[in-house]
Amino acid sequence: QKEVEQNSGPLSVPEGAIASLNCTYSDRGSQSFFWYRQYSGKSPELIMFIYSNGDKEDGRFTAQLNKASQYVSLLIRDSQPSDSATYLCAVKVGGGNKLTFGTGTQLKVEL
Amino acid sequence: GAGVSQSPSNKVTEKGKDVELRCDPISGHTALYWYRQSLGQGLEFLIYFQGNSAPDKSGLPSDRFSAERTGGSVSTLTIQRTQQEDSAVYLCASRRQGGAEAFFGQGTRLTVV
Repeated sequence: QKEVEQNSGPLSVPEGAIASLNCTYSDRGSQSFFWYRQYSGKSPELIMFIYSNGDKEDGRFTAQLNKASQYVSLLIRDSQPSDSATYLCAVKVGGGNKLTFGTGTQLKVEL
Repeated sequence: GAGVSQSPSNKVTEKGKDVELRCDPISGHTALYWYRQSLGQGLEFLIYFQGNSAPDKSGLPSDRFSAERTGGSVSTLTIQRTQQEDSAVYLCASRRQGGAEAFFGQGTRLTVV
């Protein structure tokens, strides 16, 4: 079992819709969760991080964490073509240093 | 500097040669990571430096890989006797102490022929 799992996609949504990206992790000691966006040929950039169970909202983005289910998700409201990218989920275990990434989900927002 | 700087941006080398990849982190950032990303894959952790502490080398795939960080700033990742499977984009990231966000450089695309 991979430490961090994501559906590779592509996930296609129409412009203006809500895109829902999901991530599961295996280590129950995981405490910090990150969503990075990576455009083709570019380096990853942080969108959001979440530490506590529940929802965290930042503009059009909402991160949701459920530690009991070992599940973290990212919702993108009012999706735009510029949101088309690969979204990487990353997890940090406890006080450790290593940030473990999933393989990413490719999102396509269609006009 | 304004961001994490990596050099070279592209490197083509012959199988069996040694290569050195350089990372210049954001000024004042104490944490530095190296990752590897193969085509269509996620980021594979290689090594982590934090201040003067011993580095976390748990992700280095073989003893052909090594890294150092001089003076707590610039880091060099060295791959000896390169193999074709070493071809990937090597990404460096830095983070300030206590900060949540790791900032990535643009990467070095290594091609071993």
